[in-house]
This record gives sequence, C-alpha cells and structure tokens, in this order.
Amino acid sequence: QVTLKESGPVLVKPTETLTLTCTVSGFSLSDARVGVSWIRQPPGKALEWLVHIFSNDEKSYSTSLKSRLTISKDTSKSQVLLTMTNPDPVDTATYYCARRYCGSTSCEGIWYFDLWGRGTPVTVSS
Amino acid sequence: SYELTQTPSVSVSPGQTASITCSGDKLGDKYVAWYQQKPGQSPVLVMHQDTKRPSGIPERFSGSNSGNTATLTISGTQAMDEADYYCQAWDSSTVVFGGGTKLTVL
Repeated sequence: QVTLKESGPVLVKPTETLTLTCTVSGFSLSDARVGVSWIRQPPGKALEWLVHIFSNDEKSYSTSLKSRLTISKDTSKSQVLLTMTNPDPVDTATYYCARRYCGSTSCEGIWYFDLWGRGTPVTVSS
Repeated sequence: SYELTQTPSVSVSPGQTASITCSGDKLGDKYVAWYQQKPGQSPVLVMHQDTKRPSGIPERFSGSNSGNTATLTISGTQAMDEADYYCQAWDSSTVVFGGGTKLTVL
C-alpha cells in the first residue's frame, strides 16, 4: 500500500524552529519517477505549495518562503523532512506532504500530486 | 509570480452539469490538475494533464484547457460531489494553486 504520513509538533513557539517529517511507504524516494512536496493550508483557506524535493535531491522552493525553508530526505528511512525557521502565527496551518509521480519519458511541465498524506496540524503561538 | 483565479463558489442542482473554471495568463500552454477536497479530508486528484482522469474517478468528471481558462466539468452532479475544488499548474519552477471553488449541490 502506497502512503504518506506527516508527523511533527502540534504547537510551536515563534522562537523555535518547526520540523516536520513525511514518512512514505510503498515506494522509494530514490525512484526517478517520484518526488515529494510540502503543501500547507491555513484554516478555511486555500492550498499553498511550499517546496519540492526530486529523486536526485534537487529542490524547488516557493519564492516567498525560500529563505525560511529547508527540505531534505533520508532515503534509507523513507523520510522527507521540512524545517521552517522563525515561524509566525500566520504559518498556522495543516501541513501536507504529497507525491509527484511522472512515468512519462519527458516530465517537463507535467506536475500533479497523485497521493497526499492526511496532513498534520500546526499552530504557531507563544 | 504566476496566479490562478477561481470563482469562489458555484451552485448546481443534482443531476445538472457543474462547470468550475480556473484562469491564468496563457494557461492553455500549461498542464492543469484539479483536486477535490471534502471537509476534514486531504485533497484528492480528480484530473491531471488537463483531461486525464485518474483511476477510480467517475467518468462524469472531465476537463479542458485552452487559451487562458481551464475548466473542470461534472456531468450529472451528485450530492457526493459537493466539495472544494482546486486547480494547480506549474510555472517557473514553482507549483501554483488556485484559490479554490466551493461547489454546492442543492
């Protein structure tokens, strides 16, 4: 069964660094056809893409949050980590990890997320 | 930065056709995906690469994309289709989501 599962603190203070973990199963993070993104959704608001890590360890970041985000992966543990520095109450949201899969010979411009985790809620408050 | 614009809400009667639109500059030159999200649940992919339905998505869901507008069409809308719908595209090495459309079936 192919799944993604997010985990991390429910409550974080603005002075702390937020670290979230996405644990995947049923596929390998070294598979050239897959990558993983972090996407968040503030309460009652729209989805917002944050960052993506490719199988070859290349990364793409949201322009607006690039300075505060770091994504990494541990293929042996099947985990993708997201760290966010200087969290603010506006960062309060449900954070999802999602899989991008592309089995085509050319994946240029083909971006969609076929699998999502259940999300983990994060509240930023002092 | 690139923006995708969606109508905030759409209402449809059961059995009728619902059209949910997503607009962006030269959007027809990009691939668009659509997600359905019900309250308290994660988004579910219902359309990708403009017109491709993932396995398990009912045939009443269809998609199109031309010019500056992509459209998700639900034919014979059912009560279970009531949800938020988000369009998504890729531009300049970033993923962009629309603001979402709340579909009400009444």
